[in-house]
Amino acid sequence: DAGVTQSPTHLIKTRGQQVTLRCSPISGHKSVSWYQQVLGQGPQFIFQYYEKEERGRGNFPDRFSARQFPNYSSELNVNALLLGDSALYLCASTFTGGAYNEQFFGPGTRLTVL
Amino acid sequence: GQQVMQIPQYQHVQEGEDFTTYCNSSTTLSNIQWYKQRPGGHPVFLIQLVKSGEVKKQKRLTFQFGEAKKNSSLHITATQTTDVGTYFCAGDAGNMLTFGGGTRLMVKP
Repeated sequence: DAGVTQSPTHLIKTRGQQVTLRCSPISGHKSVSWYQQVLGQGPQFIFQYYEKEERGRGNFPDRFSARQFPNYSSELNVNALLLGDSALYLCASTFTGGAYNEQFFGPGTRLTVL
Repeated sequence: GQQVMQIPQYQHVQEGEDFTTYCNSSTTLSNIQWYKQRPGGHPVFLIQLVKSGEVKKQKRLTFQFGEAKKNSSLHITATQTTDVGTYFCAGDAGNMLTFGGGTRLMVKP
């Protein structure tokens, strides 16, 4: 089975631009979470979606938004990019209902804002 | 909001030595998870602890969850070069995971 996939792998944008990142969860996983990981730090929670509804939101400005589609894939949008938005953006899917609620992470999208 | 702290930030060990990383949460957790991230890679799930005082072992790795469910530790016995990476704890207090800053383990052969 394929793992979590994310696209694109790398992205370079300039300040003020907008970006859309995409994520496909593992087949059968209905929950998707987004994290921002700045170099040298732990992942910071941005959003969780389950069955197309937002279930959790981290401490991020309204410039960050997300949605989940009927096939459980998800998009993360960031508007009015700032230099500080440069980071690795990780998507993770979870199979709810199992013994563990472990997060299966994708390879991430490396965003550079110039 | 919830905070999760990890110490140490870095650890250099000689191959064969033991290694321990500690994790403390500002709030009581429903469970705690541990992840390993290799350089250039993404976090990979290691284990989840749920019960107060729980201890779990995976080969050379021993995980503990504190009695108050606010702290945890990961101990690696006789480190190997394959153990290199950053170890993160992640506290689950509801509908979100809060990751610690991680402990980067470097192993000298």
